[in-house]
Amino acid sequence: QQQVKQSPQSLIVQKGGISIINCAYENTAFDYFPWYQQFPGKGPALLIAIRPDVSEKKEGRFTISFNKSAKQFSLHIMDSQPGDSATYFCAATTGNTPLVFGKGTRLSVIA
Amino acid sequence: EAQVTQNPRYLITVTGKKLTVTCSQNMNHEYMSWYRQDPGLGLRQIYYSMNVEVTDKGDVPEGYKVSRKEKRNFPLILESPSPNQTSLYFCASGTGTGFYNEQFFGPGTRLTVL
Repeated sequence: QQQVKQSPQSLIVQKGGISIINCAYENTAFDYFPWYQQFPGKGPALLIAIRPDVSEKKEGRFTISFNKSAKQFSLHIMDSQPGDSATYFCAATTGNTPLVFGKGTRLSVIA
Repeated sequence: EAQVTQNPRYLITVTGKKLTVTCSQNMNHEYMSWYRQDPGLGLRQIYYSMNVEVTDKGDVPEGYKVSRKEKRNFPLILESPSPNQTSLYFCASGTGTGFYNEQFFGPGTRLTVL
């Protein structure tokens, strides 16, 4: 019940296209959903986060869509660029328990 | 510069030889944590600390020890390393309330146990 299932494991997108990464969870007590971005050779860094009181949050080309009834949330990267090539992790917490991370998605944006 | 530092960055050791990976943060964060990252398994939490002298087990604590004697430091100790502890290790510190925190990760320590 503590798991966050992330898909796909890897993703190749053409430059200018839309990258979509999906996460699903079972624990309905989760109420904070961050996404972390990790470039090769670096530690992860917070990219964007959402609370379940909103269905969408946008920051620049990055958007989180949240579907509370389906217990799913997704990251959309619009106009994907080669510089977006990285591993992306979704995560979730109840606030009383540590973050649970998905297994990650390796995104490659090709020109 | 606000940062989390880890040392060493790379380490090759042999089974059973005790080692310590240091972690230090200069952001006055109360929350600190250790993760290991393995291919196909993502980030798994080893231990975390909500404040000085307060530590708790994460998902994969077996074979590891930690201590939090000062706010800025959170060393990870492997008393008797084994090959299955070969991994990429990340220390992180967090700002915010409880687990609703933004975590700042260090650069990682790649450990190989032969």
